[in-house]
Amino acid sequence: DTGVSQDPRHKITKRGQNVTFRCDPISEHNRLYWYRQTLGQGPEFLTYFQNEAQLEKSRLLSDRFSAERPKGSFSTLEIQRTEQGDSAMYLCASSLGQPRAPLHFGNGTRLTVT
Amino acid sequence: QKEVEQDPGPLSVPEGAIVSLNCTYSNSAFQYFMWYRQYSRKGPELLMYTYSSGNKEDGRFTAQVDKSSKYISLFIRDSQPSDSATYLCALGSGGSNYKLTFGKGTLLTVNP
Repeated sequence: DTGVSQDPRHKITKRGQNVTFRCDPISEHNRLYWYRQTLGQGPEFLTYFQNEAQLEKSRLLSDRFSAERPKGSFSTLEIQRTEQGDSAMYLCASSLGQPRAPLHFGNGTRLTVT
Repeated sequence: QKEVEQDPGPLSVPEGAIVSLNCTYSNSAFQYFMWYRQYSRKGPELLMYTYSSGNKEDGRFTAQVDKSSKYISLFIRDSQPSDSATYLCALGSGGSNYKLTFGKGTLLTVNP
């Protein structure tokens, strides 16, 4: 399977714990995106990388959230001191670097904070 | 007013029906229009994308864009039970579509 891969698929954690998610994009894609989706809503943009550079962060991405993409390959999204409101599906997408290239999504990591 | 409005449904149709799904938007800066299909507990899957007003057809799917009315549609002909999913419109603006703005999604059920 050469699509976008996310790990883990589901994470249950207790409030206050730290969690980290991983995304492996499609190999030839140099853009990588993180979105968050809550029940009954469409995905909301969190942040975006072009190669290893993080070019934009949404105001939704509080100081407890940090994303990295070392060497422009896989990416990690870490949430520190999780809160119940962080419970959501975290989606990763990737695309080619040309303008208007469509985004291809992975199957997401579903986070449940108890 | 939200940037993108999409009726969440749910929409229930019999097999073989023609389905019409719609989104309206308020920001004229949107220039790219995509439709994604999302099955339960899966990520969104790209169905169609278009950059201009008019119709674009792909098999049983037709995407329609009317920039003057800020209205986009997705038509599904000969709908099948396997089409049962949530359909999301997604809009991009500027010189890059790196930041898509999504509608809430419409939940469609096609009954055999």
